[in-house]
Amino acid sequence: NAGVTQTPKFRVLKTGQSMTLLCAQDMNHEYMYWYRQDPGMGLRLIHYSVGEGTTAKGEVPDGYNVSRLKKQNFLLGLESAAPSQTSVYFCAGGPPGTGHQPQHFGDGTRLSIL
Amino acid sequence: TQLLEQSPQFLSIQEGENLTVYCNSSSVFSSLQWYRQEPGEGPVLLVTVVTGGEVKKLKRLTFQFGDARKDSSLHITAAQPGDTGLYLCAGADRLADSWGKLQFGAGTQVVVTP
Repeated sequence: NAGVTQTPKFRVLKTGQSMTLLCAQDMNHEYMYWYRQDPGMGLRLIHYSVGEGTTAKGEVPDGYNVSRLKKQNFLLGLESAAPSQTSVYFCAGGPPGTGHQPQHFGDGTRLSIL
Repeated sequence: TQLLEQSPQFLSIQEGENLTVYCNSSSVFSSLQWYRQEPGEGPVLLVTVVTGGEVKKLKRLTFQFGDARKDSSLHITAAQPGDTGLYLCAGADRLADSWGKLQFGAGTQVVVTP
């Protein structure tokens, strides 16, 4: 039972390069979320999706794009990486609801932008 | 954006001691969740509290939701080294169209030494 799987686990990029982070879940979650975690700032929501083919902006969406072509996958893209995007990125999935339901997280992708 | 403030930021105690972590906001939440995160892993849900004044116990962990649903606390009795981790609180909005989004606090790093 894999749960929520993120790839890659680590990546180093140069400023201006692009990349895509993949999140795959086998829990049949309707909702999926991308967060970034920085020291002293907790988890901040980047983008989220409430179903296949839908995406919406979170608290810190600038510089990122997302796609949810299939229910089980949620992709986070950086078109032109910047040092300010150095962070640990977490994907999470959850059932529909008003927030009483738990979110299940992947183990994160540690991204460094030089 | 509803802000959640956690205190203290860091807590180091000896095995067997008790500790309390606080999560405060000026806003009302429909529910509040507590997660624990260990190095290199994603947060894992410990508990969800929904009703104002609610108290939930999970073995040596006691969670309380404030009467006004603006604050919460986590109390650990007789802490063990296995309790070491980053404790995060997360609040859910009262709005029906919140889409399960959570507002996270910055976390309290707890270190329990033998």
